[in-house]
Amino acid sequence: DQQVKQNSPSLSVQEGRISILNCDYTNSMFDYFLWYKKYPAEGPTFLISISSIKDKNEDGRFTVFLNKSAKHLSLHIVPSQPGDSAVYFCAASGRYGGSQGNLIFGKGTKLSVKP
Amino acid sequence: DSGVTQTPKHLITATGQRVTLRCSPRSGDLSVYWYQQSLDQGLQFLIQYYNGEERAKGNILERFSAQQFPDLHSELNLSSLELGDSALYFCASTPGGRMGGYTFGSGTRLTVV
Repeated sequence: DQQVKQNSPSLSVQEGRISILNCDYTNSMFDYFLWYKKYPAEGPTFLISISSIKDKNEDGRFTVFLNKSAKHLSLHIVPSQPGDSAVYFCAASGRYGGSQGNLIFGKGTKLSVKP
Repeated sequence: DSGVTQTPKHLITATGQRVTLRCSPRSGDLSVYWYQQSLDQGLQFLIQYYNGEERAKGNILERFSAQQFPDLHSELNLSSLELGDSALYFCASTPGGRMGGYTFGSGTRLTVV
């Protein structure tokens, strides 16, 4: 049973426009959420995170929104750049419960930003 | 360079064989995590070590084992390999505690033929 779901395997966006990547989770014990970016032949790199006590966190062109009632988070990239083309993983962690504080990852969304 | 070193980068071996993957965490990091990424799958948590002690286990098969040594490097041992074990194996490290992002290595690509 997938606790973290990224239902869109891929997303294509024009350069300069907004990219919105979505993530849903099922475990209400999750209280910390992260986004990772992964280029081919490299390990995932940390992008941005949000604690469940917040509903928004911003870092430059990247903003993560958290809707706890809907168990949904999203990553907005504005403006999108060709260098943003990568696979984006959503991850969640909970202090209690089965995850034991470890990160549970979604399957990823491949973002393509076209010039 | 993330500071987390994984060797080897690529490994091709036959079914039934045993391999060892190595991870050197970022300097000062006490926690090491192992993840498996199979085709079309997300990163599946296998096991965590903290300062030499096993801290948590995920979906790790009995044929797989790991350890963390006094110098904090870790090894993941995969035995009786099957075709389905072909995957990318990532190691990540953190200073300790659960908050903050992991620092991942670039992974070991294992191909079982």
